[in-house]
Amino acid sequence: DTAVSQTPKYLVTQMGNDKSIKCEQNLGHDTMYWYKQDSKKFLKIMFSYNNKELIINETVPNRFSPKSPDKAHLNLHINSLELGDSAVYFCASSQGIQAGTTAGELFFGEGSRLTVL
Amino acid sequence: SQQGEEDPQALSIQEGENATMNCSYKTSINNLQWYRQNSGRGLVHLILIRSNEREKHSGRLRVTLDTSKKSSSLLITASRAADTASYFCASNYQLIWGAGTKLIIKP
Repeated sequence: DTAVSQTPKYLVTQMGNDKSIKCEQNLGHDTMYWYKQDSKKFLKIMFSYNNKELIINETVPNRFSPKSPDKAHLNLHINSLELGDSAVYFCASSQGIQAGTTAGELFFGEGSRLTVL
Repeated sequence: SQQGEEDPQALSIQEGENATMNCSYKTSINNLQWYRQNSGRGLVHLILIRSNEREKHSGRLRVTLDTSKKSSSLLITASRAADTASYFCASNYQLIWGAGTKLIIKP
């Protein structure tokens, strides 16, 4: 059983399109995250949700909108895709609130490689 | 910069040798964690060290933390081919990451 699964694994699309990446975790964690890893391998947090509430929203364009229908799912929708959005997007989960308390071990999905042409 | 930094960026050693990589960070931390990323895969948690700890061991891994210097090191002893991967440190509630150290173990 995959602990954190995200789909699709690969996504190739044209500039200007809208796309979504889905993430599900079966670990019973209460906190989920989206990270972006660029071509130079820098990993940067984008969003974090705790029990379906947004708790971290880093400086990310409004074209990126996370949605958490329940605490086991966190989806990422991207509008009007740009070339610079090409990256690998990782979903992760952990138990515990990110800010203010000790964040525990993160469990990552396998990543979704987005290529914008 | 908000990013942590791993050093060196790349490290190539012979199987059986020890590998040491370093991490520096800029803000105060509650804990610091190390992760491994195999090529094309997600990150896997290796070890967590709290700010009041100076050293921690887990199998062939040894992590040290110097909060006065805002730095940490990860030592992998008796390296194996399977240790080939990129290694990342994460601090400040895992908001801040570096670009990783790419470790290559030569057979």
